[in-house]
Amino acid sequence: DQQVKQNSPSLSVQEGRISILNCDYTNSMFDYFLWYKKYPAEGPTFLISISSIKDKNEDGRFTVFLNKSAKHLSLHIVPSQPGDSAVYFCAASDINAGGTSYGKLTFGQGTILTVHP
Amino acid sequence: DAMVIQNPRYQVTQFGKPVTLSCSQTLNHNVMYWYQQKSSQAPKLLFHYYDKDFNNEADTPDNFQSRRPNTSFCFLDIRSPGLGDAAMYLCATSSRTGGELYEQYFGPGTRLTVT
Repeated sequence: DQQVKQNSPSLSVQEGRISILNCDYTNSMFDYFLWYKKYPAEGPTFLISISSIKDKNEDGRFTVFLNKSAKHLSLHIVPSQPGDSAVYFCAASDINAGGTSYGKLTFGQGTILTVHP
Repeated sequence: DAMVIQNPRYQVTQFGKPVTLSCSQTLNHNVMYWYQQKSSQAPKLLFHYYDKDFNNEADTPDNFQSRRPNTSFCFLDIRSPGLGDAAMYLCATSSRTGGELYEQYFGPGTRLTVT
């Protein structure tokens, strides 16, 4: 039962254009969402997050949009740069979960983004 | 620089031969996690420590054990590795204080091969 899904295994974009990475979730208890970026031979690094009380969060070239009714979030990168080429993971958490579930992240399987010069 | 370090980066073990992976952190975070990630799949949480409290995921096989002797170090022991245990093993840390939720910081991972 995969609670967080990234249905596009890969995405190819031209430099300077917009990259849109999508993520769907099924667990309605999730209320905090994160995007991680992973380069080869490195661990995932935190990129941007959003709480369910918001529908948009922006940080420089990166914007995350949350549609709670559709249980969908997306990461927009504008403009895309070759250095953005990496695997992007969506993750979700229930920040109101108590006990041992607090702070646990459920990850999607990742989308490989390639930005061509 | 504060960081999460995993050793070794690559580990080859034989079928059934116990193996230990290590993780250390200089972030002074009170929570440490171990994930298993197989090719093209999502990282899967195996267990985590909140301070000294060990929390096992319900579907983590008994073959996997963990130790956290102090705040800085955490070990993953695989008692009898099978071919299906070949994967990338990721260690992560986070700081949990009160009601705040902080992002997790990951190490580079250890790639385990079972022959």
